[in-house]
Amino acid sequence: QSVLTQPPSLSGAPGQRVTISCTGSSSNIGAGYDVQWYQQLPGTAPKLLIYGNINRPSGVPDRFSGSKSGTSASLAITGLQAEDEADYYCQSYDSSLSGFVVFGGGTKLTVL
Amino acid sequence: QVQLQESGPGLVKPSQTLSLTCTVSGGSISSGNYYWSWIRQPAGKGLEWIGRIYTSGSTNYNPSLKSRVTISVDTSKNQFSLKLSSVTAADTAVYYCARVLPDYSSSWYPFDYWGQGTLVSVSS
Repeated sequence: QSVLTQPPSLSGAPGQRVTISCTGSSSNIGAGYDVQWYQQLPGTAPKLLIYGNINRPSGVPDRFSGSKSGTSASLAITGLQAEDEADYYCQSYDSSLSGFVVFGGGTKLTVL
Repeated sequence: QVQLQESGPGLVKPSQTLSLTCTVSGGSISSGNYYWSWIRQPAGKGLEWIGRIYTSGSTNYNPSLKSRVTISVDTSKNQFSLKLSSVTAADTAVYYCARVLPDYSSSWYPFDYWGQGTLVSVSS
């Protein structure tokens, strides 16, 4: 059971817009800690997609965007493409106990 | 271009200690404000942060694993290592090493470089 909650799966047709949610609590996202998003293609290591809630590393298309409000965050993908089919994970920091990095359970995105 | 590569036994017996090493290339492990982490992923499941180490040797661990985890660094070899004791089948996973983006506002995240991962199975 993950500290951050994501929908297990989502799907969309090519060209559509999809949004993946990430829900936390007052000890992580709601406490003001940044949210990151990672994309994991099958059989590969995760790749940083969004950091600091809204920032894209160099090379990440602007079809990917992040937002954060209250105890939740979202990753939006516009102009969905076949190569976007992957697992997506949100990540933040939780201040409970002695503090640690937390991930969402992941969302499997299927491009129809 | 920084590269990370995990190495170690792919099979560990229950109750024994899992030992992995991450070799960093393309830059010195200690020449900047670098934090290095271990993260694991059981097959078909999500990511779990194990812990991190600063180049000075200071560490932080996931509270759920803290009693069994030791992370260390060897700057002379440009490596950092993971030891997980008293393993069970629940520790079977792909283990990743990763770097925290240096000079960011947080020293805990984001993870900008990852190794390719290494599968460790716990079985007798």
